[in-house]
Amino acid sequence: NAGVTQTPKFQVLKTGQSMTLQCAQDMNHEYMSWYRQDPGMGLRLIHYSVGAGITDQGEVPNGYNVSRSTTEDFPLRLLSAAPSQTSVYFCASRSAGQETQYFGPGTRLLVL
Amino acid sequence: AQSVTQLGSHVSVSEGALVLLRCNYSSSVPPYLFWYVQYPNQGLQLLLKYTSAATLVKGINGFEAEFKKSETSFHLTKPSAHMSDAAEYFCAVSGYTGTASKLTFGTGTRLQVTL
Repeated sequence: NAGVTQTPKFQVLKTGQSMTLQCAQDMNHEYMSWYRQDPGMGLRLIHYSVGAGITDQGEVPNGYNVSRSTTEDFPLRLLSAAPSQTSVYFCASRSAGQETQYFGPGTRLLVL
Repeated sequence: AQSVTQLGSHVSVSEGALVLLRCNYSSSVPPYLFWYVQYPNQGLQLLLKYTSAATLVKGINGFEAEFKKSETSFHLTKPSAHMSDAAEYFCAVSGYTGTASKLTFGTGTRLQVTL
């Protein structure tokens, strides 16, 4: 049982480039979320999904897209990277019947 | 709307001393409350959670927290700090808003443990 996995662990992008951060979970959790962590600001919700085919915006969605075609996967897309998107990104999942979220190890993104 | 305030971005204690990390919350619905710990270059790990059962919650690694509704607080304590407790700690509140419950985090408290 791998839990929540994220790839890559670290990525450097140039301004304007696009990329996809991958997130997968093998716990059959209905809910999945993406957060970004910035110094002094805690974790902020970017997008979340309550099931395959259903996504919604969180607190800071601008510049990011998501889709949920399967229960297991919840990729986060940066359409045109900006230096303000330099951050550590965490994916999390939880069961619909539980409140506890399980976090992946994170992806550290640097946009130059 | 819900929010979390963690008092003190950095806390330093001596090994063996009491650890007290403060968390106050605001929520328009009965809250679920969490403490997560983050070790350097790692993800977040659940320490403990309050889900409207017992107000004193015991977690892993000797940590516990007490839910006080009158004070809207959920402070984290450990009687005796260990060097391995050095990490960043996040308090979070969960409540239903719209289609699903969402987790709102505080800004974190970095715990330093000195000899």
